[in-house]
Amino acid sequence: DAKTTQPPSMDCAEGRAANLPCNHSTISGNEYVYWYRQIHSQGPQYIIHGLKNNETNEMASLIITEDRKSSTLILPHATLRDTAVYYCIVRVGNSGYALNFGKGTSLLVTP
Amino acid sequence: GAVVSQHPSRVICKSGTSVKIECRSLDFQATTMFWYRQFPKKSLMLMATSNEGSKATYEQGVEKDKFLINHASLTLSTLTVTSAHPEDSSFYICSVYPAGEYNEQFFGPGTRLTVL
Repeated sequence: DAKTTQPPSMDCAEGRAANLPCNHSTISGNEYVYWYRQIHSQGPQYIIHGLKNNETNEMASLIITEDRKSSTLILPHATLRDTAVYYCIVRVGNSGYALNFGKGTSLLVTP
Repeated sequence: GAVVSQHPSRVICKSGTSVKIECRSLDFQATTMFWYRQFPKKSLMLMATSNEGSKATYEQGVEKDKFLINHASLTLSTLTVTSAHPEDSSFYICSVYPAGEYNEQFFGPGTRLTVL
């Protein structure tokens, strides 16, 4: 799996958009970008994934650059419950292999 | 999405005892389950891949005789920490990968093990 780089921490005011960047410059053509988050003392939760097109679901939006070397997860209206560690993971989709978690970005949403 | 449960959610034991942690997929069958370990302020580290009906595959540095994995059915995998020591205190998390319609993995809520 390609390596990813994320900032160790970010702050965001409640109600504002949280934009979490991820660099994955060595991504291969068949690798997807996945985002998971882990709220303190809980198991990770799937957020969204994409290959090359931008994606949106009820939780977030995923913006992938045209060269696919970086992406941004957008939480449009952050709430205090979005405080968590966010992991950007690159891997071949539907491969059945385990996820390799990096250090992620610790997002703190403040009142 | 799929629902994964773990039992117990929290366990405290004495050094030298064995502890069994269960991971269940509640609404689908999973031939493959994964076990992770997470130390405080660290990321999740894969310990082993549990395969239904066959032996588990362990990651480098994980002792297979200490961390026994049994995947006896398509909905249940168990991790037994044998002769637990304080350094085994950690957050143990399982995940399942329902092949087919899903692209994502689903994680259990985790088990907090404290060895005194």
